[in-house]
Amino acid sequence: GQQVMQIPQYQHVQEGEDFTTYCNSSTTLSNIQWYKQRPGGHPVFLIQLVKSGEVKKQKRLTFQFGEAKKNSSLHITATQTTDVGTYFCAARLSGSARQLTFGSGTQLTVLP
Amino acid sequence: GAGVSQTPSNKVTEKGKYVELRCDPISGHTALYWYRQSLGQGPEFLIYFQGTGAADDSGLPNDRFFAVRPEGSVSTLKIQRTERGDSAVYLCASSAGREETQYFGPGTRLLVL
Repeated sequence: GQQVMQIPQYQHVQEGEDFTTYCNSSTTLSNIQWYKQRPGGHPVFLIQLVKSGEVKKQKRLTFQFGEAKKNSSLHITATQTTDVGTYFCAARLSGSARQLTFGSGTQLTVLP
Repeated sequence: GAGVSQTPSNKVTEKGKYVELRCDPISGHTALYWYRQSLGQGPEFLIYFQGTGAADDSGLPNDRFFAVRPEGSVSTLKIQRTERGDSAVYLCASSAGREETQYFGPGTRLLVL
């Protein structure tokens, strides 16, 4: 089963409101990645976080990696209708693993 | 350059039939991954190739599933005696190396009736 927990499962926001999705693991992660999947599309890589406490920004998106490297968040400021989609976090659960373990995703709906 | 391509985009088959799903990775990418995504879930790892060899097949659900990558480029995921529970989107991804970003293909939507 999934070893990377992600909440919330769904989020509806009014256009212009902020949005945050959270990802948690019981184990320390070497790094964490975030993907966006548009309805009917495939996951598209957004960013990778590696360092404890790391914060990265991409325009209106802010990504954080927790100090203990067990949790991460994605925050979108002033959502737009183009932000609609499902946001997944993904991690390699061990140093030797090459495959990614994905969270269950947060499906974002932005109401105009 | 071209991204990851997968064929067919959709496949409808009957229970018990055999199917093959194809993945053409980004040129030069040595690592290739197969994932399966069910509705409302994140992609679930199936198998990982480094070059021609399956470096990790721990995600294959049972022996009805098999994948090959004979020349280190194109890969084929093979499912024997399909079951209704195999219905899902099968995603392929490739990356340039061990820690590189994975680039996903558009997926094959498999429906087993």
